[in-house]
Amino acid sequence: SQTIHQWPATLVQPVGSPLSLECTVEGTSNPNLYWYRQAAGRGLQLLFYSVGIGQISSEVPQNLSASRPQDRQFILSSKKLLLSDSGFYLCAWSVQGVYNYGYTFGSGTRLTVV
Amino acid sequence: GEDVEQSLFLSVREGDSSVINCTYTDSSSTYLYWYKQEPGAGLQLLTYIFSNMDMKQDQRLTVLLNKKDKHLSLRIADTQTGDSAIYFCAEMNYGGSQGNLIFGKGTKLSVKP
Repeated sequence: SQTIHQWPATLVQPVGSPLSLECTVEGTSNPNLYWYRQAAGRGLQLLFYSVGIGQISSEVPQNLSASRPQDRQFILSSKKLLLSDSGFYLCAWSVQGVYNYGYTFGSGTRLTVV
Repeated sequence: GEDVEQSLFLSVREGDSSVINCTYTDSSSTYLYWYKQEPGAGLQLLTYIFSNMDMKQDQRLTVLLNKKDKHLSLRIADTQTGDSAIYFCAEMNYGGSQGNLIFGKGTKLSVKP
């Protein structure tokens, strides 16, 4: 069966420090991968998606970047965190071309920038 | 553009039915979803419906779709305190090279004992 792992679950980082959040998927090949951010207003904002290794699409300009070094690994990074980067970050995957299952989400990372 | 809208809050008493409403904008055939998010957790897919269907039922959950009005609802029968969560409506948008889920802002359901 397919599973998605996201870590760490909670992170407190000072302003100006780097960030690396990792997400891995097991039990499937060539998934679409996504990073979402959920801020205090509870809406979900799509940050990045990837349809393959090294292929990253950015939905909004920001202080963050994403990379996909392996088929089932998706990394969210920042060189220097801002206070506004605080939020709940969710990784998700989907099967390419299959829509009836929607996206499957990880358990999320709560990032607090202080 | 694509937009999914939902009311932000709903409060019901335990044992009552909850109805969470959503409107979407894509007029083409599409999948529509309901997700549940418990505090501090990721999103869990509850159910989905394709736009050529009017209704889908799964145990205590009933999804109704009015395609003419682009209105989707989720009814939870016999609501329990464990149903307290944020419920997200989402539609699949097929623009671009792949489908993308467009989410509403979520409806926070509070169940009072």
